[in-house]
Amino acid sequence: DAGITQSPRHKVTETGTPVTLRCHQTENHRYMYWYRQDPGHGLRLIHYSYGVKDTDKGEVSDGYSVSRSKTEDFLLTLESATSSQTSVYFCAISEDPQPLHFGNGTRLTVT
Amino acid sequence: SQQGEEDPQALSIQEGENATMNCSYKTSINNLQWYRQNSGRGLVHLILIRSNEREKHSGRLRVTLDTSKKSSSLLITASRAADTASYFCATATTGGGNKLTFGTGTQLKVEL
Repeated sequence: DAGITQSPRHKVTETGTPVTLRCHQTENHRYMYWYRQDPGHGLRLIHYSYGVKDTDKGEVSDGYSVSRSKTEDFLLTLESATSSQTSVYFCAISEDPQPLHFGNGTRLTVT
Repeated sequence: SQQGEEDPQALSIQEGENATMNCSYKTSINNLQWYRQNSGRGLVHLILIRSNEREKHSGRLRVTLDTSKKSSSLLITASRAADTASYFCATATTGGGNKLTFGTGTQLKVEL
């Protein structure tokens, strides 16, 4: 899995609570991405980073924030989780900037 | 909205048969990529074809790209049960920076 670790792998949380998902890489790749995967929508880009402290919004960034203080870590935060954010979240990394190498995902359920 | 749309949404074939999946997209691209996803896992990159290429091979995979029709196809020859997975096309659009846009995928089931 190209040296990518997502944590936690599964999480159940209540509406309105903050949630942080972590992506850790050991490849020293420049680019890191957060996608969400939902039935009927494929994968949609939430945020991405092209270097330490350099981030940009993707297609579905509302309700999400990110931080990248070190090359190896990219954090995705849901400030106040909603049921619409129930999804499977994938982190991906790349160097060139493509192709992408994906982690195994975090399954988040917001009740 | 999705840049890439795969067709068919689901495909069921017998082992040894060929599987063909199609992808259509809307805007100009720098490259198009195909990924595979096994159940419960992350996506795995299969092949990348650039906008100035028309065909590319990798093992049992053959990808074609027709930029005039804004479409691509992925052919898996002599399929195996282990090829059972979802397949996604993804496009890197002209002026889109480093972002990939994924389609909704084709679910392939290869039966023994």
